[in-house]
Amino acid sequence: EVQLLESGGGLVQPGGSLRLSCAASGFTFSSYAMSWVRQTPGKGLEWVSGINTRGDYTDYADSVKGRFTISRDNSKNALYLQMNSLRAEDTALYYCASKETGIRPFDYWGQGTLVTVSS
Amino acid sequence: EIVMTQSPATLSVSPGERATLSCRASQSVSSNLAWYQQKPGQAPRLLIYGASTRATGILARFSGSGSGTEFTLTISSLQSEDFAVYYCQQYNYWPRNTFGQGTKVEIK
Repeated sequence: EVQLLESGGGLVQPGGSLRLSCAASGFTFSSYAMSWVRQTPGKGLEWVSGINTRGDYTDYADSVKGRFTISRDNSKNALYLQMNSLRAEDTALYYCASKETGIRPFDYWGQGTLVTVSS
Repeated sequence: EIVMTQSPATLSVSPGERATLSCRASQSVSSNLAWYQQKPGQAPRLLIYGASTRATGILARFSGSGSGTEFTLTISSLQSEDFAVYYCQQYNYWPRNTFGQGTKVEIK
């Protein structure tokens, strides 16, 4: 069974940092590109960052560029998001999502981890 | 950035009726358009990809159409479990996928 399990969310003060993790199982992790997508409570979905299968190509939404860093460890079947200089507007439920190589949508999603930025 | 615009924001439908949801892209995304269903407290679930191909396990009452900039999701006969929020997503410009703002399908 395919499973993506996010962790690392919590309450952090503005300007603080958090590191999110996503543990993958049930599929060949190294063959899937990965992304982080966030959802503000009661609002829609926003793509945050993506990384290719080898980890040598990354991209970020303009709203997080320069503050967030995505990475992966294929030997551990894990995806990460290092979030620095957090702002109130980063408060959201953060999902990791996977897609097979090629032009594909997100096949699998985790259940999300909640990040709250507040003093 | 590709902007995806969904309409209407809310659709009130009686069980058994047809629901038609629209999604427009600010520029062509070819057929690289997906639809997701999201219920409260759950992650989005892939319904349709390639604009018209049902994902594994998705029932035939869900159908998608369109290409380029105009897309439609049709639910032919709404069942109680179909009341949810539906999002379109373009994935033509990976990794910069963008989502529409969602259409909430509610019971009339």
